[in-house]
Amino acid sequence: GQNIDQPTEMTATEGAIVQINCTYQTSGFNGLFWYQQHAGEAPTFLSYNVLDGLEEKGRFSSFLSRSKGYSYLLLKELQMKDSASYLCAVREKDSWGKLQFGAGTQVVVTP
Amino acid sequence: DGGITQSPKYLFRKEGQNVTLSCEQNLNHDAMYWYRQDPGQGLRLIYYSQIVNDFQKGDIAEGYSVSREKKESFPLTVTSAQKNPTAFYLCASSTQSSGANVLTFGAGSRLTVL
Repeated sequence: GQNIDQPTEMTATEGAIVQINCTYQTSGFNGLFWYQQHAGEAPTFLSYNVLDGLEEKGRFSSFLSRSKGYSYLLLKELQMKDSASYLCAVREKDSWGKLQFGAGTQVVVTP
Repeated sequence: DGGITQSPKYLFRKEGQNVTLSCEQNLNHDAMYWYRQDPGQGLRLIYYSQIVNDFQKGDIAEGYSVSREKKESFPLTVTSAQKNPTAFYLCASSTQSSGANVLTFGAGSRLTVL
């Protein structure tokens, strides 16, 4: 099984940068995903890391270190619409699409 | 546009009643999943199906049942045996390959037991 930890809540100002950390323990790692979820809505896919390093997609970047069981999601140039919950999820080997999710980090962007 | 449709969006149930949540996808995905979301907790897997006429229990299958008679459809029944059914239920689907197999989620169904 997996243990996935991420902070419960983070607050940042519009235009700033926020880094959401995620640590995990797994018996056989096969990918880490970040999803964004606005209240009462479906999670939407942000990023996928399976190899060590940084993946950049516009204002969002995600980093993975498999040896440390660690990932972060970096949100740059924060906008009010970025206020949401950010979910870290890990897939084990041979699990196809089955994911284990962390509890999510609620990001609050203030003016 | 391709996507996943869940219905109903809101559902109220009396104790002792079974309810069925609908999930339909037109993404031609082989795999489908049901997750449950409670406040302060991560999504937890109830059931999943990798192929028609086959499904597997997830981490919290007790009190739930599913069927997969068609590739496009994966309904979830919340039975009276489920002790704490009030929750937000999310259906998802994905491809099955050596790649990312990103989950695509439906908009969710919120079940409240009165």
